Amino acid sequence: QAQLVESGGGVVQPGKSLRLSCAASEFTFSSYAMYWVRQAPGKGLEWVAAISYDGSKNSYRDSVKGRFTISRDNSKNMLYVQMNSLRAEDTAVYYCARGWGMSSSRFDCWGQGTLVTVSS
Amino acid sequence: QSVLTQPPSASGTPGQRVTISCSGASSNIGSNTVNWYQQLPGTAPKLLISDNNQRPSGVPDRFSGSKSGTSASLAIIGLQSEDEADYYCAAWDDSLNGPVFGGGTKLTVL
Repeated sequence: QAQLVESGGGVVQPGKSLRLSCAASEFTFSSYAMYWVRQAPGKGLEWVAAISYDGSKNSYRDSVKGRFTISRDNSKNMLYVQMNSLRAEDTAVYYCARGWGMSSSRFDCWGQGTLVTVSS
Repeated sequence: QSVLTQPPSASGTPGQRVTISCSGASSNIGSNTVNWYQQLPGTAPKLLISDNNQRPSGVPDRFSGSKSGTSASLAIIGLQSEDEADYYCAAWDDSLNGPVFGGGTKLTVL
């Protein structure tokens, strides 16, 4: 059974940085594109970033471009997102999800999520 | 405001049939497949319907999906109390170059 486990969330002041991690297991991590999707408290789902199976391509939603960086280490089965210059509107539960390619809305495995709170 | 439009709420009694709509545009639903997610309270989303109308392994056949033009819908027959959850549609958007979601529909089983 494929599994994803996020970590690294917490409370951070506006303008500060945070790095989230996602550990993958029980599937061939290096074969899949991976995504970060977030959900603000009481709100809907919102795509944040995506990375190709080999890390050669990535994409971001406009509101995080230049502030967030998605990366992966296939040797460790790990996905990351480095979040800089955090804003209050970045407050959300962040999920990592396994995707079917880089142009996909099909996410068939999700982590349990990690909460990021941006507040002074 | 979400790119895909869903009704904020839906309801039904046990055993009933309910449908949830999802409206988009030519750049998303009109040219790409639709996926549906079920999010039970306090849990992560789960893929419910993929590629417009495919049920992943383990999803009951009470759930079905369809798509026509720039709209899609999720149908649930034989509604059960455990179906009470938030439901989201999603599709790739060629203009935004990313996946987009509906705002979610909260299903209440009366």
